Amino acid sequence: QVQLVQSGAEVKKPGASVKVSCEASGYTFTGYYIHWVRQAPGQGLEWMGRINCNTGGTDYAQKFQGRVTMTRDTSISTAYMELSSLRSDDTAVYYCARRGGMGHGDNNYYYMDFWAKGTTVTVSS
Amino acid sequence: DIQMTQSPSSLSASVGDRVTITCRASQSISNYLNWYQQKPGKAPKLLIYAASTLQGGVPSRFSGSGSGTDFTLTISSLQPEDFATYYCQQSYSNFWTFGQGTKVEIK
Repeated sequence: QVQLVQSGAEVKKPGASVKVSCEASGYTFTGYYIHWVRQAPGQGLEWMGRINCNTGGTDYAQKFQGRVTMTRDTSISTAYMELSSLRSDDTAVYYCARRGGMGHGDNNYYYMDFWAKGTTVTVSS
Repeated sequence: DIQMTQSPSSLSASVGDRVTITCRASQSISNYLNWYQQKPGKAPKLLIYAASTLQGGVPSRFSGSGSGTDFTLTISSLQPEDFATYYCQQSYSNFWTFGQGTKVEIK
């Protein structure tokens, strides 16, 4: 069965960096993208970006450009999200999710079909 | 970025009610629209993709419709386990975006 398991909670000081891992199992890691989504306390979902786990190619939301780096290690089926220059408003639960897809005729539809439980990142002095 | 706007932000309803949530995109996204359900302290769960296709295992009381810029999620008869927050999300562009969410509460 598909599983995504993230690393544990982190507490960081402002200005520091955090690196969250997402270990995949139950499917061919390099056949899918991994997306990263965060949720600040009491707030909605915010898409951060994605990585093609085959090629390593990435797309980042404009808001995080220059601060976020997504990588993967295919030998251990693990994706990573590193966020730098942390501020207090980066305090959030960070999720990784697999991009699933389905073809309908000539069109391919993509969505986040499996999610990890999330990693809480707290930024506080 | 494509902006997604949901309405209402919250609603109160009773078990058995029919509930409709609206999602509007800032530009046409064809039917590249997904819906998720999130319960407190849990990861989101995919309900519907391609605007109207039910994900496997999702009860048939959930349905989605729309194309272009305007979309709806309907719960035909609200059940106790449906009290949650619902999000729309576009996958039209390479840069995905979510609506702000609609919280469905017990009346």
